[in-house]
Amino acid sequence: DAGITQSPRHKVTETGTPVTLRCHQTENHRYMYWYRQDPGHGLRLIHYSYGVKDTDKGEVSDGYSVSRSKTEDFLLTLESATSSQTSVYFCAMTGHSSGEQYFGPGTRLTVT
Amino acid sequence: GEDVEQSLFLSVREGDSSVINCTYTDSSSTYLYWYKQEPGAGLQLLTYIFSNMDMKQDQRLTVLLNKKDKHLSLRIADTQTGDSAIYFCAESKVFYGANNLFFGTGTRLTVIP
Repeated sequence: DAGITQSPRHKVTETGTPVTLRCHQTENHRYMYWYRQDPGHGLRLIHYSYGVKDTDKGEVSDGYSVSRSKTEDFLLTLESATSSQTSVYFCAMTGHSSGEQYFGPGTRLTVT
Repeated sequence: GEDVEQSLFLSVREGDSSVINCTYTDSSSTYLYWYKQEPGAGLQLLTYIFSNMDMKQDQRLTVLLNKKDKHLSLRIADTQTGDSAIYFCAESKVFYGANNLFFGTGTRLTVIP
């Protein structure tokens, strides 16, 4: 969906370093989400936001934090990256009553 | 977490129909969704069905919902090579007004020319 972008698209980092991924939307949607995608697991929810400064944990939140200071931006931070956090990360947004989510293009993160 | 189950692989010949099956766990899901993912891309919403419906048709796509068995299926008529992708079903649960989705592991559809 052209209304949601992610940066960077690819990143390689070393174990123990902090990493921040950015999700930006131009649709003024209230709800935003961060997922990780791993083989054999589909997509799993890390954190979500239900408004500015309002966030909550998903099913795989350990080792991750998020912040949402503006409607359009949702940041995902790995405070100290580990090899188990090597994954593809997707951001999503929704603002519709039927709850369908629209996804960004993804960020491929490799932790060496 | 929720356990949404799908078979991992499906192969069909071009022009045949494809049927991708999914079982979900949460009978209170208001909506159920089908997404498509092409290589190197994000997830694209294909269609969704409201839980009080049994069937929804959208061009070549037909979604069937059996709430009693918690079974969802996606039928693609006249399957084309461009339909080759991974297909995910997802159920939903609402927290703080946010419609959180829980995904299956995905079914990789291969269309043989």
